[in-house]
Amino acid sequence: DIVMTQSPDSLAVSLGERATINCKSSQSVSFSSNNKNYLAWYQQKPGQPPKVLISGASTRESGVPDRFSGSGSGTDFTLTISSLQAEDVAVYYCQQYYNTPRTFGQGTKVEIK
Amino acid sequence: EVQLLESGGGLVQPGGSLRLSCTASGFTFSRYGMSWVRQAPGKGLGWVSTISSTGGNEYYGDSVRGRFTISRDNSKNTLHLQINTLRAEDTAVYYCAKDSNYGGNSGYFDYWGQGTLVTVSS
Repeated sequence: DIVMTQSPDSLAVSLGERATINCKSSQSVSFSSNNKNYLAWYQQKPGQPPKVLISGASTRESGVPDRFSGSGSGTDFTLTISSLQAEDVAVYYCQQYYNTPRTFGQGTKVEIK
Repeated sequence: EVQLLESGGGLVQPGGSLRLSCTASGFTFSRYGMSWVRQAPGKGLGWVSTISSTGGNEYYGDSVRGRFTISRDNSKNTLHLQINTLRAEDTAVYYCAKDSNYGGNSGYFDYWGQGTLVTVSS
């Protein structure tokens, strides 16, 4: 199984400041033949189901604010919130869909400082 | 609008069984793989099982293989998870999730239900 490891486990950021979450996979989740990255980011607010923010490592889903961006390839990926808003308080998960089982990172809790 | 509505959770004794259901609407159900993902209280997300669009292929995580059975009824836009021989560690919210890709067992999870809580306790 591909192990997904996120860092940090939690972070506190001031409103309007940048938040950066890292995700590392135990093996590459990118296909060089098609230049695609099989990595998604989800946001889960308290008491709610997860919501996909980004797929393909960097493609924002419809309706996701552009302050959310994703980058990376191979084994190292990053989710950036460029200017943290109060409504962004949540746990964020990365997930690989390169192969089965589709595995998640352990989550990163983002709070307001 | 895509909607996924789970039902069937509850309190069950260790060794017991439950059947979870998920009713889908707002998309062509028969074209997509469907999955169950669970989340233990205060913990992270864990993929449980996936079924292909036709129902012809089933995939399970190691911890549930042999105890859980996924199925679907494309005529009723419904997904099921039969869970047997329940253990305390199966206690979790079980989410129904739609695969982003046609077919089955590929892609990310682009829509999720609200979840149904399964509690295993004596």
